[in-house]
Amino acid sequence: GNSVTQMEGPVTLSEEAFLTINCTYTATGYPSLFWYVQYPGEGLQLLLKATKADDKGSNKGFEATYRKETTSFHLEKGSVQVSDSAVYFCALSEPSLNDYKLSFGAGTTVTVRA
Amino acid sequence: NAGVTQTPKFQVLKTGQSMTLQCAQDMNHEYMSWYRQDPGMGLRLIHYSVGAGITDQGEVPNGYNVSRSTTEDFPLRLLSAAPSQTSVYFCASSPAGTGVGYGYTFGSGTRLTVV
Repeated sequence: GNSVTQMEGPVTLSEEAFLTINCTYTATGYPSLFWYVQYPGEGLQLLLKATKADDKGSNKGFEATYRKETTSFHLEKGSVQVSDSAVYFCALSEPSLNDYKLSFGAGTTVTVRA
Repeated sequence: NAGVTQTPKFQVLKTGQSMTLQCAQDMNHEYMSWYRQDPGMGLRLIHYSVGAGITDQGEVPNGYNVSRSTTEDFPLRLLSAAPSQTSVYFCASSPAGTGVGYGYTFGSGTRLTVV
């Protein structure tokens, strides 16, 4: 079956530091990959996505590249702000196999200090 | 505003009580899902639907029922609440087919406590 493994948190950074959150996956077909973000007290928002190998998703200064050879989709941001404090979830679905369910990693809590 | 609307936002139940968590979307999405979020466990799929009249079980369906009589609505029923069902519940929707590859839209959640 499908699975997503994220680096465990919590992660604490200073403002303007570089952020990386590792995500690897196991899938049968050709999954679509996502990063969702959950700010305190809110629901999940789609941060970025990639639907095929070598695609790079980007949004709000965050980037992630779909690496099929290493089955990875690591999230990066070059200079974090206090407002980036949130829980980040890596996820996948497999529309190529008519499997539309979204499978999530456990989430990584990021705290950015001023 | 277009999106996924969940009600109520907060609920406290006594063990053995039943209730329905409501979810509605106005984006004409075919796919809808219910997840529960527990600390350290990410989001786990309870039930999902690929269209009106079609539902199926996810990872953790026990103790929950769903139905999908319209495209817009996907209510989640707790039959006899147990403390283990204390959680935050999220409803999500997505377009059909390859549109699913472009992500789900989530509601703001229902925080349920069973005492």
